[in-house]
Amino acid sequence: AQTVTQSQPEMSVQEAETVTLSCTYDTSENNYYLFWYKQPPSRQMILVIRQEAYKQQNATENRFSVNFQKAAKSFSLKISDSQLGDTAMYFCAFMRTNFGNEKLTFGTGTRLTIIP
Amino acid sequence: DTEVTQTPKHLVMGMTNKKSLKCEQHMGHRAMYWYKQKAKKPPELMFVYSYEKLSINESVPSRFSPECPNSSLLNLHLHALQPEDSALYLCASSQRLGTLLHFGNGTRLTVT
Repeated sequence: AQTVTQSQPEMSVQEAETVTLSCTYDTSENNYYLFWYKQPPSRQMILVIRQEAYKQQNATENRFSVNFQKAAKSFSLKISDSQLGDTAMYFCAFMRTNFGNEKLTFGTGTRLTIIP
Repeated sequence: DTEVTQTPKHLVMGMTNKKSLKCEQHMGHRAMYWYKQKAKKPPELMFVYSYEKLSINESVPSRFSPECPNSSLLNLHLHALQPEDSALYLCASSQRLGTLLHFGNGTRLTVT
């Protein structure tokens, strides 16, 4: 079974600073997707960024970027120029792409607080 | 704005009640999902429908009964729930299995 580990239950950072959230995973698969989802108090799970395992280039979405280390099974999220609206719970997630096994497995989450 | 709409936003029910949660999407997605999320925990998969057929049931108790009457609609029928079933219930959809999930805002359920 796949596992996703987020070792930082809570983090806080000053507004405009950069913060990195860590995520490691365990799998024997070669083809899969990795995601970072954000869940603010509004409760909706919002996709922040995704990475396909076969792509070596790290994904980037505006202020959000990942450091994907496939051999080390590490997938960290970097938030640059942090904003108050970034305050939320962040979940790292893994999905296999094998037919019939496409479950989305979440890590335990990191609660991020941006301090004004 | 979410493209996956869940109703109601909040629901309080007694242990003898029967109620239903509703989820709707109009993105043409053919896979739909129910997740349960307890406070400060990650979402846990309950059911997956693919092309209106139940694809995955994660050993969920029979007091939860899913239904997918058409490709746009997913229901979760609730009967004889326990207080420990109180949680946020999230619906999601994707184009097909193995593609990006889009989540709704959830229904906050309280069982008294």
